[in-house]
Amino acid sequence: DAKTTQPPSMDCAEGRAANLPCNHSTISGNEYVYWYRQIHSQGPQYIIHGLKNNETNEMASLIITEDRKSSTLILPHATLRDTAVYYCIVRSLSWSGGSNYKLTFGKGTLLTVNP
Amino acid sequence: EAGVTQSPTHLIKTRGQQATLRCSPISGHTSVYWYQQALGLGLQFLLWYDEGEERNRGNFPPRFSGRQFPNYSSELNVNALELEDSALYLCASTGPLFHEQYFGPGTRLTVT
Repeated sequence: DAKTTQPPSMDCAEGRAANLPCNHSTISGNEYVYWYRQIHSQGPQYIIHGLKNNETNEMASLIITEDRKSSTLILPHATLRDTAVYYCIVRSLSWSGGSNYKLTFGKGTLLTVNP
Repeated sequence: EAGVTQSPTHLIKTRGQQATLRCSPISGHTSVYWYQQALGLGLQFLLWYDEGEERNRGNFPPRFSGRQFPNYSSELNVNALELEDSALYLCASTGPLFHEQYFGPGTRLTVT
């Protein structure tokens, strides 16, 4: 799976949009981009995923650049409860001997939403 | 719809003992993953069970083992506990498309 690079921390004002960047310059054609977040001492929570096109759900939007080498997770109206570590993960779902669809978590970005 | 559940919430053991952690996946999910999150470290993949079989394991010693039952619930066993096994153990289940993994709240294991 391709490696990702995220800033270690970011701040955002409550009610404003939070834009979390992720670089994945070595991503291959069959690899998806996933975003999870982990609020302190809780299990990670799935947010969104995409392959090529931009995606939106009730939680967030995912913008993937045309060359797919980077992406941005957008929380449109951040609240205090969005304070968490956000993980960008690149993963292939192509079955090849030994592949196990596991998630490989990096260090993520600590997003702090301030009142 | 009930989420992934794990028990116990907290577990305190002494070095050398055995620990058993349990996980119940979301109804309809047949795959269960186990991860370890030690303090200051990221989540590390431990084991993957699917349809009752162990499909793959991470870079952990054999004293970490488990099984998946016919109802797809799963058990993680850690034998000969060591101090560095103290961590949050997370279980996740996934549906047939494997895109989303849904995590439980975790079991906090403390080895003294």
